[in-house]
Amino acid sequence: EVQLLESGGGLVQPGGSLKLSCVASGFSFSNDAMAWVRQAPGKGLEWVSSISSIANRPYYADSVKGRFTIFRDNSKKTVYLQMDNLRGDDTAMYYCARDPRAGDLDNWGQGTLVTVSS
Amino acid sequence: DIQMTQTPSTLSAFLGDKVTITCRASQNIGNWMAWYQQKPGKAPKLLIYKATTLETGVPSRFSGSGSGTEFSLTINSLQPDDFGTYYCQQFYSFSERTFGPGTKVEI
Repeated sequence: EVQLLESGGGLVQPGGSLKLSCVASGFSFSNDAMAWVRQAPGKGLEWVSSISSIANRPYYADSVKGRFTIFRDNSKKTVYLQMDNLRGDDTAMYYCARDPRAGDLDNWGQGTLVTVSS
Repeated sequence: DIQMTQTPSTLSAFLGDKVTITCRASQNIGNWMAWYQQKPGKAPKLLIYKATTLETGVPSRFSGSGSGTEFSLTINSLQPDDFGTYYCQQFYSFSERTFGPGTKVEI
């Protein structure tokens, strides 16, 4: 059974940093791309970032480019999202998801909540 | 950037109804379309990928159609468990994945 477990969310002041982690199990982690998707309270889904499986190539939404960094450690079956220079509009539930076919997201974690506020 | 529009934004229907949600892309995305269901407080669930392929374990009353710029998700014979918000997502480009604004289905 595929499982994704996010952690690292919390309350942070504007301009601060957080590092989210997503530990995977139940599949061959190194073979699949991974993604982060967020959802602001009461709002829709927003793709944030993806990382490919072999080349570890990162991709970012314009809203986070230059502030967020996605990376993975295949030996630990973990994908990370380093978030710097956080803003109020980054407040959201952040989901980790598996991307097995270069696009659709077939398994999701339960999410970790990030709140940016002073 | 590829923009996605989704109609209707809210849909009220009766059990047993056939309902259709439409998603339009601002440019041709081939068949690179997925559909998700999300219930309150839960993570989204993949229903359909590559516009028409049913994800494993998803009931056959769900179906997807379309290509290019216009796509549809149809639920035949609406069931109590089908309430929630439905999102389309394009993945034409690996560097740009866009979700539609969502359709809330009320039963």
